[in-house]
Amino acid sequence: NAGVTQTPKFQVLKTGQSMTLQCAQDMNHEYMSWYRQDPGMGLRLIHYSVGAGITDQGEVPNGYNVSRSTTEDFPLRLLSAAPSQTSVYFCASSSGQSDTEAFFGQGTRLTVV
Amino acid sequence: QKEVEQDPGPLSVPEGAIVSLNCTYSNSAFQYFMWYRQYSRKGPELLMYTYSSGNKEDGRFTAQVDKSSKYISLFIRDSQPSDSATYLCAYHTGGFKTIFGAGTRLFVKA
Repeated sequence: NAGVTQTPKFQVLKTGQSMTLQCAQDMNHEYMSWYRQDPGMGLRLIHYSVGAGITDQGEVPNGYNVSRSTTEDFPLRLLSAAPSQTSVYFCASSSGQSDTEAFFGQGTRLTVV
Repeated sequence: QKEVEQDPGPLSVPEGAIVSLNCTYSNSAFQYFMWYRQYSRKGPELLMYTYSSGNKEDGRFTAQVDKSSKYISLFIRDSQPSDSATYLCAYHTGGFKTIFGAGTRLFVKA
């Protein structure tokens, strides 16, 4: 099993560009989420999904869109990149009724110039 | 007040030392308490989780929860250089919005 796979691993964007961060899991988990990790801030929840077709906002959703058309995939879209979105982005998935044991991807390091 | 407070460190200890990592939280609704380990340039991985107050042991790791004081700890016995990583505490209320601490960087010197 690959677990949670994120692509790309690194990306540099210019201000105003858009892009999609990909996340796929092969564990048949219902719950998936996106976090950003900034120095001194810990992981902050951007968006999450409790199943295909169901998404909701987390703590810092502005500037990001998500959709969940399949159980396996949960892409994160940056609509118009800003330097404040420079961060490391992690996708996670978990099974069961809560997020107690989340499996994380390896992360995408995004720089917006 | 932040929901979760965690000393960022870095914490440097010699090999074989007992390490104590701590977090405090403000939301009394938190019911699930987790510790994640994150190696440099990797994603976090779950070490342990607990549901209630008390201790939980797994090998060299012990998680301790004191809900009355809103305080959780992770103890690492016989620390090894391979334990060098950032340790993140995390909480949620039973649903899917997990709150993470900022992480404590630990260095174990051989």
